[in-house]
This record gives sequence, structure tokens and C-alpha cells, in this order.
Amino acid sequence: GQNIDQPTEMTATEGAIVQINCTYQTSGFNGLFWYQQHAGEAPTFLSYNVLDGLEEKGRFSSFLSRSKGYSYLLLKELQMKDSASYLCAALDSNYQLIWGAGTKLIIKP
Amino acid sequence: GAVVSQHPSRVICKSGTSVKIECRSLDFQATTMFWYRQFPKKSLMLMATSNEGSKATYEQGVEKDKFLINHASLTLSTLTVTSAHPEDSSFYICSAREEEREGLYEQYFGPGTRLTVT
Repeated sequence: GQNIDQPTEMTATEGAIVQINCTYQTSGFNGLFWYQQHAGEAPTFLSYNVLDGLEEKGRFSSFLSRSKGYSYLLLKELQMKDSASYLCAALDSNYQLIWGAGTKLIIKP
Repeated sequence: GAVVSQHPSRVICKSGTSVKIECRSLDFQATTMFWYRQFPKKSLMLMATSNEGSKATYEQGVEKDKFLINHASLTLSTLTVTSAHPEDSSFYICSAREEEREGLYEQYFGPGTRLTVT
């Protein structure tokens, strides 16, 4: 079956760095997305990786290892507004997104 | 970036009535639209995938007669919750995907519709 695993909840301190891990098992693979979702709002796109390696975009970076079925989202210089759920989603062979349950990130001052 | 609108943002209806939710892609043509529902503190659950001009493909366990989807044009899809019951209360989110560009199959999300059935 298809499966996405990510931690349910993480806590970090304002100004620090946090890494949110995601492992996936899908029927075929066409890339991995990270989305941010604030409570009561729709998800917003953060990143897309299809090749191995690190993609950096401002304070956020995303890494992919296809051979390990593994990705992580790295958030630097954490701000209070980064408190949200972070959703990992893999694109399968049918170009359908398979969603993880999301990681709730709590930022403390 | 691409914008998807959803209407209404909130709706309260009585049990037994039907509710229609509209999803529009404002600045691009969406060949595929997706409908999700989300319960509090849970992840997105895909309900159905629709392509313009063809019947929607429903996920297992989703009643197609209860959740009617019409993808009438490349910019509009509607979800009608028929004979709504309190257990249908949820956050419904649509997303749209335009033709594959440079290998990126990004989905653009609407702002969501909060449905409360009393």
C-alpha cells in the first residue's frame, strides 16, 4: 500500500532551527511536496523535490533521497508565525498526491 | 501565482437540505480539480478527482450520489452535498491543477468552505 509517515507534533523555540522528517512508500514516484497549513485555512505550497538533494528557498529548505524514500523540511530562524501544520505529500505514478497526516509545529518564545 | 477561489467560505444549513460549493481557477485553466475534506486536527482526505467534461473519479468510501461533482468548464467545478446530515459537517477544500508545466504537478488550493449542518 501507499503510506506517508511524519511526526504528529514537534515543538521548537523562536529563532532556532527545526527539521521535520517524512518517509514515503508509494506506487511509483513523481516528486515530493511540502505544504504549510495554518489552522482553519487551506494548505499553501512550500516546496517540490523530484531529484535527490537539497533545495533552499529563504528560511525554508527541503531535502530528498529517492533511494531511501525520505525527505525533510528544514526551517531556520523560526518565527512565531511558523506555528502551523506541515504536510508532506508524494506524487505517485498516477500523478495523484498521497498525503501524510501532517506535523503540527509549535513555536515557543 | 495561480489563484483558486471557493464559495461560500462558510455555510450553515439544516439537516436534509443540499449545499453547493463552487471552486474556480481565476487565472489559469484547470484540467484537473480535486475535492478534499478535512476533519479537525486531521490531514486532508481526497474525496474525488474531476477532469473537465468527464465524470468524477471518487475515492473508496465516498458516496457519489451524496457528493455530486460537476466539472463544467476548465475554470469551474462544483461540489453539491445532497441531503446533508450533521456528520457531513467538515472543512471542504478544492484544489486545481493546470496542464503539467516543466514537470511540476503543483496543486493550487482554494481557501476552503466550512460546512456546518444543524
